[in-house]
Amino acid sequence: QSVLTQPPSASGTPGQSVTVSCYGGGSNIGTNPVSWYQQFPGTAPKLLILTDNQRPSGVPDRFSGSKSGTSASLAISGLQSEDEADYFCAAWDDSLNGRVFGGGTKLTVL
Amino acid sequence: QVQLQESGPGQVKPSETLSLTCTVSSGAVRTGGYYWSWIRQHPGKGLEWIANIYYSGTTFYNPSLKSRVTISVDTSKNQFSLNLSSVTAADTAVYYCARERYTPKALTTNFFFDSWGQGILVTVSS
Repeated sequence: QSVLTQPPSASGTPGQSVTVSCYGGGSNIGTNPVSWYQQFPGTAPKLLILTDNQRPSGVPDRFSGSKSGTSASLAISGLQSEDEADYFCAAWDDSLNGRVFGGGTKLTVL
Repeated sequence: QVQLQESGPGQVKPSETLSLTCTVSSGAVRTGGYYWSWIRQHPGKGLEWIANIYYSGTTFYNPSLKSRVTISVDTSKNQFSLNLSSVTAADTAVYYCARERYTPKALTTNFFFDSWGQGILVTVSS
């Protein structure tokens, strides 16, 4: 059972916008920055968003992160077939004094 | 762009010690501001952070694994390593090494993994 809760799946059609949510609590998302990772089957995760809403260089601006209260969101606009992947959120948890992750959301591009 | 590569046995017997090494290239483990982490992913599951180390030797461990984990760094070889003792089938996972930016602060603590190795599947089986 992951500390951060993500819906197991999400879907959209090419060109659409889709949002992946990550739900936590006051000791993690409510207090500390969130990062997001993209993972294709059989490959390592890739950093997509750091510190709530900052994109590393090379990440398209179609990907954006936001946070409100104890939940965070990853928005993908102009959905493309190559966006089909698993997406994970992560944050520090003050109560657990450690790193916590979401269980991941599998995004399907229909 | 820093690159990381895991190496080690793909199979370990129950009760034995899992030993992995991560070799860093196109960058140095002595780079200030970065920690070097081990993370694992059970088949079809989410991510679990195991431990990290700074080039100076400062270490942090996941409390749930701390009693069985040792992480070390060899700056002369630009490598860092993981030992996980007394393994069971529950330790079967893909193990990743990663570069971590970790900034603990009084009010907020931030971390993220900006470079990853390709991962190595370790199966615990007799």
